[in-house]
Amino acid sequence: GAGVSQSPSNKVTEKGKDVELRCDPISGHTALYWYRQSLGQGLEFLIYFQGNSAPDKSGLPSDRFSAERTGGSVSTLTIQRTQQEDSAVYLCASSFGLAYSDTQYFGPGTRLTVL
Amino acid sequence: AQSVTQLDSQVPVFEEAPVELRCNYSSSVSVYLFWYVQYPNQGLQLLLKYLSGSTLVESINGFEAEFNKSQTSFHLRKPSVHISDTAEYFCAVSDRSSARQLTFGSGTQLTVLP
Repeated sequence: GAGVSQSPSNKVTEKGKDVELRCDPISGHTALYWYRQSLGQGLEFLIYFQGNSAPDKSGLPSDRFSAERTGGSVSTLTIQRTQQEDSAVYLCASSFGLAYSDTQYFGPGTRLTVL
Repeated sequence: AQSVTQLDSQVPVFEEAPVELRCNYSSSVSVYLFWYVQYPNQGLQLLLKYLSGSTLVESINGFEAEFNKSQTSFHLRKPSVHISDTAEYFCAVSDRSSARQLTFGSGTQLTVLP
């Protein structure tokens, strides 16, 4: 079956511009996660959605970062006024969300480059 | 708070040799442990996971990992590696205090040499 998909695969933007990254989770998965993978920081958790509950935003690095999940499916991560330190690969993952032990399935990522 | 330490950032090994990738974690509660693999230019894939029960878990491609609670370790091993095992390997942990997010180690680049 289809896995987690993300778009675009690559995004190059200028410092100060806003960007939107999209994630389509696996059908039937109620939990959705965003992570960031960068050279200096490794893999970092950003935000977690579970069903209709309020998201866990504890990993967002600043108020320039926000995310939403419409209809319990597709999610968009928005970065406002991008900075060069935002350059990274942004990974989305989804899981059934039934237990803490659920496997998270990752998408291929969006590589963001801020010039 | 939980953390994961992967002591070796790079592990070069010759084909058909054994390998061990080390992972240590810290957590104050019961944990779930994962190894993910990232092949060049690909996304993260689950290799194996420990949830409960038998402390030795195996993957379909010959890797195994052993949960050692007293040493807070979850080292990954393979008795004989192939060129195709060249990839970056990430150890990760989740527990009931983490709201389901995974905390990852910094990764170990395994390079299998001919």
